[in-house]
Amino acid sequence: GAGVSQSPRYKVAKRGQDVALRCDPISGHVSLFWYQQALGQGPEFLTYFQNEAQLDKSGLPSDRFFAERPEGSVSTLKIQRTQQEDSAVYLCASSLTRDFRYEQYFGPGTRLTVT
Amino acid sequence: TQLLEQSPQFLSIQEGENLTVYCNSSSVFSSLQWYRQEPGEGPVLLVTVVTGGEVKKLKRLTFQFGDARKDSSLHITAAQPGDTGLYLCAGPGEYGNKLVFGAGTILRVKS
Repeated sequence: GAGVSQSPRYKVAKRGQDVALRCDPISGHVSLFWYQQALGQGPEFLTYFQNEAQLDKSGLPSDRFFAERPEGSVSTLKIQRTQQEDSAVYLCASSLTRDFRYEQYFGPGTRLTVT
Repeated sequence: TQLLEQSPQFLSIQEGENLTVYCNSSSVFSSLQWYRQEPGEGPVLLVTVVTGGEVKKLKRLTFQFGDARKDSSLHITAAQPGDTGLYLCAGPGEYGNKLVFGAGTILRVKS
């Protein structure tokens, strides 16, 4: 079956531009997570949705970051006025439940480079 | 804040050698997971350990969860080039609403 897909896979933005990153989770998965991964580091939590409700956005680095999942399936992570420190891989993951003993399925990520 | 520290950061070994990587915390975790990530891909779950002292085996990989549920280890026997990747441990955050990841161990197995 289809896994988690993300688009675009690569994005180059000039400093100050807005970007939108898309995540298509596995169909029927209740939970959706966004993570930011710097080169050579582990993923860092950004935000979490259960269906369409954003239950935790404590990891969003600033108010320039905004995420939505309006119909409880596809999610978009938007970054306004991008800065060089936003350069990273943005990973999306989905899970059948919110129980963390169950597997989170990760997409391949979007590599964002801000120049 | 719950933190997971992984060691070593980088490991380069010859095919056929054994190795162990570690994941340590000062906090108790209800469960820990190990993921493997290849370049350009997302992490893929290898195992979840839940019970203190638990040992799980996955072919040549042996995972152990510490008795106090504060640490875990991954042992690979007779490493192969296909084992090359970034190995990450992760556990639920203190409010159970996110996964906390360690920084990972980069493993390179040379043929």
